[in-house]
Amino acid sequence: GQQVMQIPQYQHVQEGEDFTTYCNSSTTLSNIQWYKQRPGGHPVFLIQLVKSGEVKKQKRLTFQFGEAKKNSSLHITATQTTDVGTYFCAGRPNDYKLSFGAGTTVTVRA
Amino acid sequence: DSGVTQTPKHLITATGQRVTLRCSPRSGDLSVYWYQQSLDQGLQFLIQYYNGEERAKGNILERFSAQQFPDLHSELNLSSLELGDSALYFCASSGPGYTEAFFGQGTRLTVV
Repeated sequence: GQQVMQIPQYQHVQEGEDFTTYCNSSTTLSNIQWYKQRPGGHPVFLIQLVKSGEVKKQKRLTFQFGEAKKNSSLHITATQTTDVGTYFCAGRPNDYKLSFGAGTTVTVRA
Repeated sequence: DSGVTQTPKHLITATGQRVTLRCSPRSGDLSVYWYQQSLDQGLQFLIQYYNGEERAKGNILERFSAQQFPDLHSELNLSSLELGDSALYFCASSGPGYTEAFFGQGTRLTVV
């Protein structure tokens, strides 16, 4: 069945540094979404990418959807303590099931 | 506030028991998803309903079942509970066009 793989599982970042988390699907996706879950909280939607090669930015966050619509990345620049949490990608192989990756848990060293 | 309501917030029960988790989606949302999140684990997709009909199934155990009612609220039934079923269970809903999912606060189930 369709699987969404996400790496790395953990990312320990020095405050001010950049990092990237990657998401790969075994099948082509109709769209991909990214969510953030703060410690003790619930996942909150960040963004959705639909088009092949699409790039979207939200302040220090840059999201990219691969040309083949099977992979995606989230790049965060100048990491801040407010970036702490787990970032999930979620892919839709069709219009129904929304499959989440295992998440990248980010900790920040001040 | 996401607009998705889950009850109860916490549940402690014994092995072998049966529990029902309830989810009220955002007003107007027809899709409801259920996910299980164990400690330090990702979100495991269980099942999805759309306007009362099952649309997609994930790794949901046979001991688990769900349904979506005419008023669009959904219930997840977990039976013959085992210690390993202890987890956070999230419900999410989404609107027409399968855009973003809005998550409830979750139900933390502890099986003792």
